[in-house]
Amino acid sequence: AQSVSQHNHHVILSEAASLELGCNYSYGGTVNLFWYVQYPGQHLQLLLKYFSGDPLVKGIKGFEAEFIKSKFSFNLRKPSVQWSDTAEYFCAVNDRTGNQFYFGTGTSLTVIP
Amino acid sequence: KAGVTQTPRYLIKTRGQQVTLSCSPISGHRSVSWYQQTPGQGLQFLFEYFSETQRNKGNFPGRFSGRQFSNSRSEMNVSTLELGDSALYLCASRPGQGSTDTQYFGPGTRLTVL
Repeated sequence: AQSVSQHNHHVILSEAASLELGCNYSYGGTVNLFWYVQYPGQHLQLLLKYFSGDPLVKGIKGFEAEFIKSKFSFNLRKPSVQWSDTAEYFCAVNDRTGNQFYFGTGTSLTVIP
Repeated sequence: KAGVTQTPRYLIKTRGQQVTLSCSPISGHRSVSWYQQTPGQGLQFLFEYFSETQRNKGNFPGRFSGRQFSNSRSEMNVSTLELGDSALYLCASRPGQGSTDTQYFGPGTRLTVL
């Protein structure tokens, strides 16, 4: 079975700081990669996804992520965070069979105004 | 389109009881997955249904079961509840079983077992 690791469990940043959240996965084959966000009191929603092509993908709200195959990583970045980015962020992987998604344990981000 | 809906939103049960949770997917979506979300564990996959058939199952005991109806609505059942079953149970739907299909999540059912 695959595993997904999110090493940062809690991150606290001031507004305008840059953000990078780590995500590593264990599967050695071809994968699809996703970042989801859960704002307080809201549903999980998709931030961005990578299937193939340019390893730098852009998502909603100014987020981007870079797929580095050699490092089995898919780190999430944002150049300048806002208070409204306070949320829990989940990295997810599926192995192209598509039947099962594997999620990380999540990273809680708090942005201080 | 209406989003994924889950009922009930909150549930309190006692140990040993059983519970049934319901999920209505987005119209046209045929695949429904269930997840258990707990602090520190993230989302753990329970099972996925497509066209009324269970296609995949996570590593949960047999007390956790589910089914899908012909209209794609799904139910999840947990029998003989344990304290450790307290969690947020999330349902997600997607159009098919393509690996690139985005999953759309519902608001979840918060289950508390006393």
